[in-house]
Order: sequence, then structure tokens, then C-alpha cells
Amino acid sequence: QKEVEQNSGPLSVPEGAIASLNCTYSDRGSQSFFWYRQYSGKSPELIMFIYSNGDKEDGRFTAQLNKASQYVSLLIRDSQPSDSATYLCAVVGGNTPLVFGKGTRLSVIA
Amino acid sequence: GAGVSQTPSNKVTEKGKYVELRCDPISGHTALYWYRQSLGQGPEFLIYFQGTGAADDSGLPNDRFFAVRPEGSVSTLKIQRTERGDSAVYLCASSSTDYTEAFFGQGTRLTVV
Repeated sequence: QKEVEQNSGPLSVPEGAIASLNCTYSDRGSQSFFWYRQYSGKSPELIMFIYSNGDKEDGRFTAQLNKASQYVSLLIRDSQPSDSATYLCAVVGGNTPLVFGKGTRLSVIA
Repeated sequence: GAGVSQTPSNKVTEKGKYVELRCDPISGHTALYWYRQSLGQGPEFLIYFQGTGAADDSGLPNDRFFAVRPEGSVSTLKIQRTERGDSAVYLCASSSTDYTEAFFGQGTRLTVV
């Protein structure tokens, strides 16, 4: 079974700064990588996916994947208080289905 | 449907009772996942369906838990002889294929008293 590791946080950043969230995974056969945002009391919401090594940008969000290092990250530029949430890293591929890390709690301070 | 639908939203049951939780995935999605989430934790994988068959049920904690998807669409998670430790939010997600993005329903909050 795959393992997905994330720092639980909380990660605190000031409004307008860049928030950097990191994730490592154990299965080298992993093929698809996702970042979800979860507000308290709500379901996870997909914000980014990445399949290939390198960077993928979508608005204020950039996902970075390094398969050799088994590492995926999410950068949030110009962080806003509304970005305060738990960010979940998820991985699928190889012989096991979609599994999640425990999440990193982000707090953006106004 | 437009999104993943889970019913009921909330379920309170007595210890030892049987419960069923329903998930209606996005139309056309062949992959369906069940997760359990406790406070402060990430979603814990329970079972994954590809079509009608359970492709991976390695996350089911014990034989009190069972899930079906008889027609490859709606799925039901069944819990027998519920225990207080089963209290959690049960999440369902679906995706169009095995490796593409999955979308979640709003979850069912199960409380065993």
C-alpha cells in the first residue's frame, strides 16, 4: 500500500506571501498526483492535478512534480485569508488506488 | 447527476445496529471510492470499485464493513454491528477512469451512540 506523507502544520504565512506545501510518496509506480483543499466541515475539493515531471500553473497555484525524488509540492502565490484550509496531497497508480496524506493545515494571517 | 450525491447527510445510530450509506456518483464515472475521515485526519481509503467489481477492498477495517455496486453506478456501504469507533465522516468520490481526478460528495456523518 502506498504511503503519502505531509507535514501536518499548521503552516502560517502572512497575507500576500507565497505558501509552499510539500508531499512525499513511497510508490515509484505512482502516475497521477492531486492537491485537494478542504475547509473545516466540508468535503475535499480538487484544486490541481499533475501527471508529468515539472511545473504546472493555474492562476495563483503551481504544482511541482519530481518523480525521481518522489516529491510533489503546491505553491500558492499572493496568499489570501480565504486560502486558510487543510491541503491534502493524493496519489494514484502502480498497484494501489487513490490514497491521501493526512493533510497540511494552512493559516493565512491578514 | 451534476455531482456526487451521498445520503443521508447525517446518521445517528445505536451501538450494535446496522447502517447503510448510499453514494450516487457522477454520471458515466466508472471508478468509485469510499473513504472514512476522522477529525484532523486525511481521508482513509476503504474500498475502490471499477465498474461493478471491487478492485481493491484492502482498506475495509474488518468483516463488519461491506460495500456493493451492483449496476456499476450507485454504491452502498454497509456496516454491521456498529461500534462507537465507527463514528466518522464517510466520503464517496468518483472519477472517469482509474488515474484521473476524483470528485467528492458532501459526505455522511455517522455517529454511533
